[in-house]
Amino acid sequence: DSGVTQTPKHLITATGQRVTLRCSPRSGDLSVYWYQQSLDQGLQFLIQYYNGEERAKGNILERFSAQQFPDLHSELNLSSLELGDSALYFCASSVETATEAFFGQGTRLTVV
Amino acid sequence: GQQLNQSPQSMFIQEGEDVSMNCTSSSIFNTWLWYKQEPGEGPVLLIALYKAGELTSNGRLTAQFGITRKDSFLNISASIPSDVGIYFCAGQLGGAQKLVFGQGTRLTINP
Repeated sequence: DSGVTQTPKHLITATGQRVTLRCSPRSGDLSVYWYQQSLDQGLQFLIQYYNGEERAKGNILERFSAQQFPDLHSELNLSSLELGDSALYFCASSVETATEAFFGQGTRLTVV
Repeated sequence: GQQLNQSPQSMFIQEGEDVSMNCTSSSIFNTWLWYKQEPGEGPVLLIALYKAGELTSNGRLTAQFGITRKDSFLNISASIPSDVGIYFCAGQLGGAQKLVFGQGTRLTINP
């Protein structure tokens, strides 16, 4: 158990809908990362927050947004969903930025 | 775009064989991390490297941070069936905040 908690574990939704994925980082970790992993693909960096502020942005679509709250949990919002958004979404956390990052179990999103 | 080149993409070996995989980049990295991912699970951190030339072991796993800071390798000695999975390298670019990942090496072991 990495100490990073992601909910829900599975999510099935229809095209055009909006979903919110939640991540609770390890106790004491200030930095949260979000990654997308499509079938048999690598991990694509989406966005990073550190202590509530956005620190780095990857190839995140405009339909996607994220935030980190004062209690350090983070949410990734995906809207106007398309079939191609079906993927595993991982959250990771670390004490500082870009140090050892620990991953959650992921949320498997299926868009039908 | 992808800034880390990880090779090989896949490996098929016999149990007991040693394994070697590497990551290279044209950019300088400050940190190299190696992860293992099993089906349906999140990546698990295996080894972290912070200094050029650093050689670190974790059981049968050994990883090195290249002297040029542009590469890293991971070796697994005497492979066993539970080593099966996808191995990812990850690195922090100098001056950047984010961790970038290689495309992964899929390891399959024949008993």
